[in-house]
Amino acid sequence: EPEVTQTPSHQVTQMGQEVILRCVPISNHLYFYWYRQILGQKVEFLVSFYNNEISEKSEIFDDQFSVERPDGSNFTLKIRSTKLEDSAMYFCASVGTASYEQYFGPGTRLTVT
Amino acid sequence: GNSVTQMEGPVTLSEEAFLTINCTYTATGYPSLFWYVQYPGEGLQLLLKATKADDKGSNKGFEATYRKETTSFHLEKGSVQVSDSAVYFCALSDGGLMTSYDKVIFGPGTSLSVIP
Repeated sequence: EPEVTQTPSHQVTQMGQEVILRCVPISNHLYFYWYRQILGQKVEFLVSFYNNEISEKSEIFDDQFSVERPDGSNFTLKIRSTKLEDSAMYFCASVGTASYEQYFGPGTRLTVT
Repeated sequence: GNSVTQMEGPVTLSEEAFLTINCTYTATGYPSLFWYVQYPGEGLQLLLKATKADDKGSNKGFEATYRKETTSFHLEKGSVQVSDSAVYFCALSDGGLMTSYDKVIFGPGTSLSVIP
């Protein structure tokens, strides 16, 4: 069964550093999303992406965040200057056109020290 | 705005007990409703879904019925197993069938522990 993959599974970085989280959505999917889950809290929407542009973003998704689909397979989330409060699990998701079910990746745990 | 509320955990049950996790939602349109499960150390898995009023979603012995009149989508299972121990998230996608690609809005999650 096709699945969304994410790399790395765990990223440790120092405050102020840039990080790029990578996702490979399911190959024929067209809509892409990033969510985050701070430890012990609920899953929060960050951004949705379609047709090479942002469709919607939350108030969390400020100027420090950016997304890109650099090629036909990868979907990335960049945090330019990480803060301690960016420590969270980041989930990528994608949706095809056959159904509206969002398929989630396994997540990347980001730890900012 | 749209939101999801679910019962606070943690919930601890003995094996073979009956499970109910309450979920209610607030939405302006006709959302699709979901239950996601997160096993320890893993990502989010879709457990079941319902797209319109009175639909019943079911999977792995779990069921939930979309009740528009009470804006609820309670999760039930008749006999839980130790392997059901996980965090359960009620969620909605507020586009419904018309704009199917809207974001998913999650409830806070309910942690379930099943003891032998």
